[in-house]
Amino acid sequence: TQLLEQSPQFLSIQEGENLTVYCNSSSVFSSLQWYRQEPGEGPVLLVTVVTGGEVKKLKRLTFQFGDARKDSSLHITAAQPGDTGLYLCAGYGGSNYKLTFGKGTLLTVNP
Amino acid sequence: ETGVTQSPTHLIKTRGQQVTLRCSSQSGHNTVSWYQQALGQGPQFIFQYYREEENGRGNFPPRFSGLQFPNYSSELNVNALELDDSALYLCASSIDGASGNTIYFGEGSWLTVV
Repeated sequence: TQLLEQSPQFLSIQEGENLTVYCNSSSVFSSLQWYRQEPGEGPVLLVTVVTGGEVKKLKRLTFQFGDARKDSSLHITAAQPGDTGLYLCAGYGGSNYKLTFGKGTLLTVNP
Repeated sequence: ETGVTQSPTHLIKTRGQQVTLRCSSQSGHNTVSWYQQALGQGPQFIFQYYREEENGRGNFPPRFSGLQFPNYSSELNVNALELDDSALYLCASSIDGASGNTIYFGEGSWLTVV
């Protein structure tokens, strides 16, 4: 069974601070995706990383895929209240149809 | 707005009853996946339908079943409801399977079993 462990589980910070959340596994994933989910809504895809060592930037968000394709990180610079939400990592492992999700990091950015 | 619509948005059922949840996929998408998200957890894969056939299944009992119709819309049926079935049920649509293609989630159906 492939598992994705996310840390921290909860994070509460002040507006303007930087933060990093982590997604780790003992298994290799062909790709990893990061989603953001707001209360009462479905997850929305932020980015997909495919190549080991890959770094992608989306405005103030920086995503990195580990060299061994077993882990990933999401770094947010100068967090804003609008960044508040549940951040989920997910990956395709041995199957090409099943996304395995982590439990998520619940981020609260206080004004 | 992902173009994936689910109904109903909220419902309450009694233990032992049966429920049907519906999903209309994004235009042009022939693949629908269903996920269960319990409170405080990430989504768990239930099954996927591709061109009206079940294409893969997660670790869920047979009382969880589904259908995909010729227009690629889908239903999730759960029989003999248990309290632990209380969760957000998410439908996601994509083109030609999932891996390598972006999948789009609906807003989900909140099921409460009492």
